[in-house]
Amino acid sequence: GNSVTQMEGPVTLSEEAFLTINCTYTATGYPSLFWYVQYPGEGLQLLLKATKADDKGSNKGFEATYRKETTSFHLEKGSVQVSDSAVYFCALEVPGNNNDMRFGAGTRLTVKP
Amino acid sequence: EAGVAQSPRYKIIEKRQSVAFWCNPISGHATLYWYQQILGQGPKLLIQFQNNGVVDDSQLPKDRFSAERLKGVDSTLKIQPAKLEDSAVYLCASRGILAVGELFFGEGSRLTVL
Repeated sequence: GNSVTQMEGPVTLSEEAFLTINCTYTATGYPSLFWYVQYPGEGLQLLLKATKADDKGSNKGFEATYRKETTSFHLEKGSVQVSDSAVYFCALEVPGNNNDMRFGAGTRLTVKP
Repeated sequence: EAGVAQSPRYKIIEKRQSVAFWCNPISGHATLYWYQQILGQGPKLLIQFQNNGVVDDSQLPKDRFSAERLKGVDSTLKIQPAKLEDSAVYLCASRGILAVGELFFGEGSRLTVL
């Protein structure tokens, strides 16, 4: 079946540190890949997406590249801020499969000043 | 543009009692989802509606969970009778027809079953 696996958290970093959150996927067909973020007290919201191999999604300084050869979509940011503290979810969707969005378990990031 | 509205935000009940959650999606969004998020896990799809029809309810425990979306707008998710393992956050999300992948989520309804 279709699924994503994320690195386990929690992750604690100092401000301006480099961030990587690993995500790998298993899918039949050609999935679209996403990162959602959930800030404290808020609902999940889309952070970035990539719909085909080698696409790079980017937003708010975050980037992720769709790597078909390694079935990965790792989230990176060069310099994190305290305001980036949140839970990050990797997700995939196989178009045509009822548009069923499957989520990873989430990775909690805490950035300390 | 108003976001996805959910209520109640918090609910505490005894096991074997019933509970209902309400969701009002973003205006014009045809697709509505209910997800269950257990602490420490990612959201798990319970049911998906397209307008007022069910697209996927394969992971909905139909012996105790039910959901409806009358008139293709608001939706209600009901649990009866509740079990301890139903303690979770119930998330409602909606999507417009042309939006690839972007689900809009409400803040969720946190259920605690004692």
